[in-house]
Amino acid sequence: GAGVSQSPSNKVTEKGKDVELRCDPISGHTALYWYRQSLGQGLEFLIYFQGNSAPDKSGLPSDRFSAERTGGSVSTLTIQRTQQEDSAVYLCASSLAVGRYNEQFFGPGTRLTVL
Amino acid sequence: DAKTTQPNSMESNEEEPVHLPCNHSTISGTDYIHWYRQLPSQGPEYVIHGLTSNVNNRMASLAIAEDRKSSTLILHRATLRDAAVYYCILTAGYSTLTFGKGTMLLVSP
Repeated sequence: GAGVSQSPSNKVTEKGKDVELRCDPISGHTALYWYRQSLGQGLEFLIYFQGNSAPDKSGLPSDRFSAERTGGSVSTLTIQRTQQEDSAVYLCASSLAVGRYNEQFFGPGTRLTVL
Repeated sequence: DAKTTQPNSMESNEEEPVHLPCNHSTISGTDYIHWYRQLPSQGPEYVIHGLTSNVNNRMASLAIAEDRKSSTLILHRATLRDAAVYYCILTAGYSTLTFGKGTMLLVSP
């Protein structure tokens, strides 16, 4: 079946512009996660959703970052007034439910470059 | 969150077994041990997970020490496609994955 999809695959933007990154999780998965991976760095957790609610937003690096999930499916990560340090690969993952043992399925990522 | 320690890199020859170690001396009784891998230019991929007993699946085996302070991911016959960064992760509370630097596995033909 279809895996996690993300769009766009690549995004180049100018400093100060807003960007929206989209994630389509696997159908039926109630949990959705956003991570980012900067060049040469490990993966950094940003936020997760259980259904449409986001119990923990502490991983978002600044108030320029926000995310929403509607209808328990598609999620959008928005970065306002982008900065060069926002350049990274943004990865989305989904799992059947939130829990210690639930396998997370990752999408291919969106590579964001801020000039 | 309990942390894990892995070697920065390991090398193997194709078709040989590979044992990737992970130390997690501060693991709590309810932490699951997960392994993910990331191939170049791709998102991470689930490999295997376990709690106390050794586990086998089509991709690999996971050997967990009796005191749970360490574990070993075993690839029975390495292929070139197995060249990746392998992450050993403990999950506690909700299932956010905290990735460390992992072990880069190099496989030679």
